[in-house]
Amino acid sequence: GAVVSQHPSRVICKSGTSVKIECRSLDFQATTMFWYRQFPKQSLMLMATSNEGSKATYEQGVEKDKFLINHASLTLSTLTVTSAHPEDSSFYICSARHLNTEAFFGQGTRLTVV
Amino acid sequence: AQTVTQSQPEMSVQEAETVTLSCTYDTSESNYYLFWYKQPPSRQMILVIRQEAYKQQNATENRFSVNFQKAAKSFSLKISDSQLGDTAMYFCAFMKPPMNYGGSQGNLIFGKGTKLSVKP
Repeated sequence: GAVVSQHPSRVICKSGTSVKIECRSLDFQATTMFWYRQFPKQSLMLMATSNEGSKATYEQGVEKDKFLINHASLTLSTLTVTSAHPEDSSFYICSARHLNTEAFFGQGTRLTVV
Repeated sequence: AQTVTQSQPEMSVQEAETVTLSCTYDTSESNYYLFWYKQPPSRQMILVIRQEAYKQQNATENRFSVNFQKAAKSFSLKISDSQLGDTAMYFCAFMKPPMNYGGSQGNLIFGKGTKLSVKP
């Protein structure tokens, strides 16, 4: 299958700072990317959907000013957690899709806010 | 809205035996996709098998097969000859096919998962 690379795999940041997570499609053009959040021992919850060159569509209850998503090119989407707080600590996973094919997942990022 | 239900939070199976994980879903759509994903301790999501709703034939991938009952909205996963490497969380997922470029269609809706342990 296609390869989606997500970086960093782990990040620790101080409360109040911002952290950026990158999601890259390595061998295909990702027209749509999805960002999920996963709490321990729970399922994946969709945070937002982004299409290249347009604003992301956020799910209900997700703060768009806190979780900034940029999808400026067909191979890169970024999620920036602004003014991070300990409750933002979680596992974040991206997935990428080309047109109407299935989506492929990145390796995930474990964010710890101290 | 679509929902996906996995009623078995945890299951265990002896190595080399067969296990079936259950999944039911609710939708008013007639065309959709169903998936089983595996999430091992590394937390990488791995596609195990997919099923298009318009196909009556059950999908199979080596030791993995599904029992797709469209009328009953049931989509169970059978793992034959279980191996230690099959130990993982298994998520059932539903997807409306993306209509076009844009929108939230085409996103996956996941069940809560089943933790499968394969014992030697």
